Amino acid sequence: EPEVTQTPSHQVTQMGQEVILRCVPISNHLYFYWYRQILGQKVEFLVSFYNNEISEKSEIFDDQFSVERPDGSNFTLKIRSTKLEDSAMYFCASTRGVNNEKLFFGSGTQLSVL
Amino acid sequence: AQSVAQPEDQVNVAEGNPLTVKCTYSVSGNPYLFWYVQYPNRGLQFLLKYITGDNLVKGSYGFEAEFNKSQTSFHLKKPSALVSDSALYFCAVRGASGGSYIPTFGRGTSLIVHP
Repeated sequence: EPEVTQTPSHQVTQMGQEVILRCVPISNHLYFYWYRQILGQKVEFLVSFYNNEISEKSEIFDDQFSVERPDGSNFTLKIRSTKLEDSAMYFCASTRGVNNEKLFFGSGTQLSVL
Repeated sequence: AQSVAQPEDQVNVAEGNPLTVKCTYSVSGNPYLFWYVQYPNRGLQFLLKYITGDNLVKGSYGFEAEFNKSQTSFHLKKPSALVSDSALYFCAVRGASGGSYIPTFGRGTSLIVHP
């Protein structure tokens, strides 16, 4: 089965630094998502992306966050100035459509902000 | 707002015994319900979904889930657990029509199957 690929698997950064998390969605998928999970808490929706623009975002996705699909294959999440509370596992996901379709998830990037 | 509750952080079961992982949900209107599984160092993988029709839904690896509208529950079940079923299980919900198409996930339940 095709897979969503995320890099790096682990990222350690200092508070205030910028980080970019990278994802390669499944090639014929059209909708892309970022979720995160802080240790012991729910998997939280951050943002969805379709047709080169954000289609939905949560309250978590503030001005410090941005997403981009720079080259038709990669889908990136940038955090401009990381905070301690940004430490979490970040999951990328993709789907072909939106109507009751299952999400295909990557294996995640564990972000640790020191 | 839609939400999911997985009341158990961990479920322990002996191999060969039946297992149940609980999920209750809240959503406006009819729900679409999902179960995902996460093995170590892997992403969440789709197990099964309820959209409409039969309340008992069958999915991958012998798992099934029962939709109960009156109790707003969607518990995951398997008649005979395997050690290899040990993983983290996530329930998710979204509304069937209108509003957001984004699934809302629970916090996950760790299933441990003992030999």
